[in-house]
Amino acid sequence: QQPVQSPQAVILREGEDAVINCSSSKALYSVHWYRQKHGEAPVFLMILLKGGEQKGHEKISASFNEKKQQSSLYLTASQLSYSGTYFCGTERVDSSYKLIFGSGTRLLVRP
Amino acid sequence: SAVISQKPSRDICQRGTSLTIQCQVDSQVTMMFWYRQQPGQSLTLIATANQGSEATYESGFVIDKFPISRPNLTFSTLTVSNMSPEDSSIYLCSVEVPGRANTEAFFGQGTRLTVV
Repeated sequence: QQPVQSPQAVILREGEDAVINCSSSKALYSVHWYRQKHGEAPVFLMILLKGGEQKGHEKISASFNEKKQQSSLYLTASQLSYSGTYFCGTERVDSSYKLIFGSGTRLLVRP
Repeated sequence: SAVISQKPSRDICQRGTSLTIQCQVDSQVTMMFWYRQQPGQSLTLIATANQGSEATYESGFVIDKFPISRPNLTFSTLTVSNMSPEDSSIYLCSVEVPGRANTEAFFGQGTRLTVV
């Protein structure tokens, strides 16, 4: 019941764009996105609630398709600091308050 | 936001022994969560700890192996009992606090456990 993330890994040149997808087989109440750098704790990026909203934070934005139980994270004009592993955390309608994390997407941004 | 202090940051333990991990939060929170993250893997929820009641464990995790205490709204402990090398992992505590849109989850820095 772990959400499925794709791709597993991405290598970008600085300034390029990337999309990371997160898909669940269960009805979701919200989707959270986190970035984790090696040896550090995951850091919250944003949360999307059911309703199909799209959010943005600087050059990172995300969308949530409630009907498909899918969320996508968009990284625009990537910077070196974007490197890390991105996790989606899903909060299901039938078990709120706890997050189930996807398998992760490793992103490497090169100069 | 929330600041979480987790101790110890790392430990090397002998198989068959137990280790207790502490998690201290700088504000009162209703729920605290314990996760396990094996190297290069995702975060797996072990249990949810509520103050004043027994922890709720996820499938594959049992209280005898991972007893949890939650004596107040700012503190929790996770014990890894009768350890084996398969328990080597990073253990993280997490809390959810109200944010601008909804709840936001914050994590402690983790405890890197190696069982030899």
